[in-house]
Amino acid sequence: AQSVAQPEDQVNVAEGNPLTVKCTYSVSGNPYLFWYVQYPNRGLQFLLKYITGDNLVKGSYGFEAEFNKSQTSFHLKKPSALVSDSALYFCAVRDIGRGRRALTFGSGTRLQVQP
Amino acid sequence: ETGVTQTPRHLVMGMTNKKSLKCEQHLGHNAMYWYKQSAKKPLELMFVYNFKEQTENNSVPSRFSPECPNSSHLFLHLHTLQPEDSALYLCASSQWKEGATTDTQYFGPGTRLTVL
Repeated sequence: AQSVAQPEDQVNVAEGNPLTVKCTYSVSGNPYLFWYVQYPNRGLQFLLKYITGDNLVKGSYGFEAEFNKSQTSFHLKKPSALVSDSALYFCAVRDIGRGRRALTFGSGTRLQVQP
Repeated sequence: ETGVTQTPRHLVMGMTNKKSLKCEQHLGHNAMYWYKQSAKKPLELMFVYNFKEQTENNSVPSRFSPECPNSSHLFLHLHTLQPEDSALYLCASSQWKEGATTDTQYFGPGTRLTVL
């Protein structure tokens, strides 16, 4: 079965510093990987996705993610964090080998950016 | 209205009440989803509809009843709920293409449901 792990419940970083939010996955075939962000009292907003091709994917708001097949990871990164980046971040995977449309989400990582 | 909208945004109901959640997507998509987001648990897929037909039911109790009258609207009818059903219910939509599974799901703001 497909699964996603976000090992950190919370990540704290100072404004201006680089940030990384970790995600590892397990699928039976090739994965489609997604990152979403959720602000308080809001739904999930799509940030970026990896389907195939270049392992470094660029997304919204200056975020990027690096796909590493050997480590089965898809970490979210940003070179310089903003206070406004503070939110809940979700990694998700679609196991295309199973032919399912549904996404399996990780438990989420709360990012706190201190001024 | 743009994107995916959900009404109501907040709902408080008793265990014997019947209520419905509404979702509308303005993106021209052909697939819609219901997810449940509980505290301290990952998002759980509940139902998937493609072209108004239910394609997935993720072992959801019968007290939750989905309805998809057309590709733009999705309802979740609720009856005889339990306090543990209190959660944020999120609707999403995406555009399925024949032979491809690269679609991106776009989410609404959710309905915060409290069952007393």
